[in-house]
Amino acid sequence: DIQMTQSPSTLSASVGDRVTITCRASQSISSWLAWYQQKPGKAPKLLIYKASSLESGVPSRFSGSGSGTEFTLTISSLQPDDFATYYCQQYNSYTWTFGQGTKVEIK
Amino acid sequence: QVQLVESGGGVVQPGGSLRLSCAASGFTFSSYGMHWVRQAPGKGLEWVAFIRYDGSNKYYADSVKGRFTISRDNSKNTLYLQMNSLRAEDTAVYYCAKDSQLRGWGYWGQGTLVTVSS
Repeated sequence: DIQMTQSPSTLSASVGDRVTITCRASQSISSWLAWYQQKPGKAPKLLIYKASSLESGVPSRFSGSGSGTEFTLTISSLQPDDFATYYCQQYNSYTWTFGQGTKVEIK
Repeated sequence: QVQLVESGGGVVQPGGSLRLSCAASGFTFSSYGMHWVRQAPGKGLEWVAFIRYDGSNKYYADSVKGRFTISRDNSKNTLYLQMNSLRAEDTAVYYCAKDSQLRGWGYWGQGTLVTVSS
């Protein structure tokens, strides 16, 4: 099974900061990676699919990059609405695995 | 607009059974694969099961294989998850999500809570 490892687990940042979250796959997944944002008590929201494609309606301050085994989610200028938990997800050959999550907290 | 509404959650004793439903609307349900995902209290997301658009193939996480069964009724636009031999570790909010063929999961339900406890 493909394992996904996110870092850091928790991130403290201020409004306006540039934030980067990393996700590593235990084997190559090409570009089959998505990023989700989740707020307490809510369902996850899709931000990025196919590693770098921005989902419709998602602000352009969110971007994704990477391929193979290493991926990043970048928020160019953190906004108050962005404090949440972020998950990467791989999809490969009818298996789907999430990373353990990165909580972005207010510094 | 796409809507996914889960139901059927509740409290069940260890070893018991429960069936979850996910009512879909706003899209051609019979054209899309569907997933179940769960989230234990205070924990991360765990994919549970997937069913292809026509029900021809089903895939499960190792943690539920042999105990859970995913199914669908395209005439009723409804997805199901039959959960048997429930364990305390199955306690979670269960979400259904619409597959979008490698474009990520853009639509999720609001979730239904399953609590396995004596």
